[in-house]
Amino acid sequence: QVQLVQSGAEVKKPGASVKVSCKASGYTFTTYDINWVRLATGQGLEWVGWMNPKSGHTGSAQKFQGRVTMTRDTSISTAYMELGSLRSEDTAIYYCARVVGPIDFWGQGTLVTVSS
Amino acid sequence: DIQITQSPSSLSASVGDRVTITCRASQVIGNELAWYQQKPGRAPKRLIYAASSLQSGVPSRFSGSGSGTEFTLTISSLQPEDSATYYCLQHHDYPPLTFGGGTKVEIK
Repeated sequence: QVQLVQSGAEVKKPGASVKVSCKASGYTFTTYDINWVRLATGQGLEWVGWMNPKSGHTGSAQKFQGRVTMTRDTSISTAYMELGSLRSEDTAIYYCARVVGPIDFWGQGTLVTVSS
Repeated sequence: DIQITQSPSSLSASVGDRVTITCRASQVIGNELAWYQQKPGRAPKRLIYAASSLQSGVPSRFSGSGSGTEFTLTISSLQPEDSATYYCLQHHDYPPLTFGGGTKVEIK
């Protein structure tokens, strides 16, 4: 069965970076895009960016451009999202998600807390 | 980019009520819209894809309709376990993906 398992919660100081991992299983990792979505308290779901695991091509929402980096290690079927220059507004649950048309499978989420 | 306007932002209804949530796209997106249910502390769960196709395992009281720019999620008979936040998602011009703002459904 398809699973996306994410790394654990992180606490970071403003200005730092965070790197979240997403390990895929149950399907061929390079077949479908992995996207990242976040949910901040009191807000709605927000799309962060996408990655094609086969080619490594990526893209992100304009508000994250220059701050987010998405990479992968195909040998271990794992995608990564690194967000830099963290500020308090980046405190949120970050989800990886498989895109087949729309999103069909989600990771369990990783809470990133930005606090001094 | 395509914008999605979801309404209402919240609603309160009684068990057994019929509930309707609407998403409007800023341009034609065909049927490339999905609906998700999210409960606190959980990842979103897909209910509907291709505007009106019911995800396997989802109760038949959930249904989706619409095409072009206007879409609707209907819960025909609201149940206590349906208390959640619901989101629509368009993927017509992927990337990007665009979510509606969400509708919080509460049970009276």
